[in-house]
Amino acid sequence: GENVEQHPSTLSVQEGDSAVIKCTYSDSASNYFPWYKQELGKRPQLIIDIRSNVGEKKDQRIAVTLNKTAKHFSLHITETQPEDSAVYFCAARNAGGTSYGKLTFGQGTILTVHP
Amino acid sequence: DTGVSQDPRHKITKRGQNVTFRCDPISEHNRLYWYRQTLGQGPEFLTYFQNEAQLEKSRLLSDRFSAERPKGSFSTLEIQRTEQGDSAMYLCASSLMLWAEVRENGYTFGSGTRLTVV
Repeated sequence: GENVEQHPSTLSVQEGDSAVIKCTYSDSASNYFPWYKQELGKRPQLIIDIRSNVGEKKDQRIAVTLNKTAKHFSLHITETQPEDSAVYFCAARNAGGTSYGKLTFGQGTILTVHP
Repeated sequence: DTGVSQDPRHKITKRGQNVTFRCDPISEHNRLYWYRQTLGQGPEFLTYFQNEAQLEKSRLLSDRFSAERPKGSFSTLEIQRTEQGDSAMYLCASSLMLWAEVRENGYTFGSGTRLTVV
């Protein structure tokens, strides 16, 4: 099955700096890669996603890049703000058999933005 | 119907007791997923349904765990003879699968049920 590795496990930045979180996946057939933000005690919420036919996608201060050949994708947050502090999860969507549509998640990155 | 609802939000139980959680997905969603999340970890897949059919169950899932979605709407997750290692957040998510394509908004998660086994 799919395996998703996420790094770093913790990331601390100063307000205004950029933050980058990286994920690798094992199944070359995976075709959809969402990122979720989870604040303490709350549900994971989708913040951005990318399909395998696109190399980059941007939404205001957040961008995601995908390298299908290397099987890795990254989340980029620019001009970080204290409210960006949360746990971020990457995921890869299975693309075959009865697992089609199932998301496999990375281990999470705790992002702390210091004012 | 504005989101995925889970009940209860918190459950404290004694070891050996049975517990049951409920999930009400977004009404038009045909896929329903159960995940388990422990502190500092990403959501771990347990099982999922498409309509009322349970299509996959994690190989890591003990026989003490069972899930149902009898009418293709809400789902229940039961844990029998609970153990302290079952303590976790149990997350439900739903999505819409149409013509073998998942909507680009992916999953919508519920707020979860936090289980503590003492």
